[in-house]
Amino acid sequence: RKEVEQDPGPFNVPEGATVAFNCTYSNSASQSFFWYRQDCRKEPKLLMSVYSSGNEDGRFTAQLNRASQYISLLIRDSKLSDSATYLCVVVYSGNTPLVFGKGTRLSVIA
Amino acid sequence: GAGVSQSPSNKVTEKGKDVELRCDPISGHTALYWYRQSLGQGLEFLIYFQGNSAPDKSGLPSDRFSAERTGGSVSTLTIQRTQQEDSAVYLCASSLNPAAAFFGQGTRLTVV
Repeated sequence: RKEVEQDPGPFNVPEGATVAFNCTYSNSASQSFFWYRQDCRKEPKLLMSVYSSGNEDGRFTAQLNRASQYISLLIRDSKLSDSATYLCVVVYSGNTPLVFGKGTRLSVIA
Repeated sequence: GAGVSQSPSNKVTEKGKDVELRCDPISGHTALYWYRQSLGQGLEFLIYFQGNSAPDKSGLPSDRFSAERTGGSVSTLTIQRTQQEDSAVYLCASSLNPAAAFFGQGTRLTVV
């Protein structure tokens, strides 16, 4: 069974804080990993891909741990505009659809 | 256009009526997905098309739901005899499988 689990939160953090989310996946036959961001009443938007060696995009860092079957997203120097729901996505090998986690809600407070 | 386009953006229908939701994927994308999302909830997978393969319909909640993708491009999701529990935002996404998917803005369906 292909499942993706996330802590729903909410994570309430002050501006400037560093916050990290984890996401676990159940099936080792996984191929690609992504983080999406979804604002209230909007569609999900791709935030970043997650590479085996880890990757960084500005204040955002994504990590993959295949042995433990989890991916993480670290946000440094949180901004009010980072407030959103962050969705973890796993693409499994073969002709299968993307599997979304239910999301982790982040609120950055002034 | 450059992105995924969905129409209509909003649809209000009476219980028992049929509705059709349309999705125009990004040109050249072989994979197309339909999800729905109720208020405050996560994405619920409905159906997945990949090239000429048989679609994965495992997420369709009942036989009132069906979808087709004509010519490997435009897709239509049809809901027959709508019920109030069908009210949700219906999201379409496309991708170059197995790459990241890009979403349309969704169709907000309200069944009254």
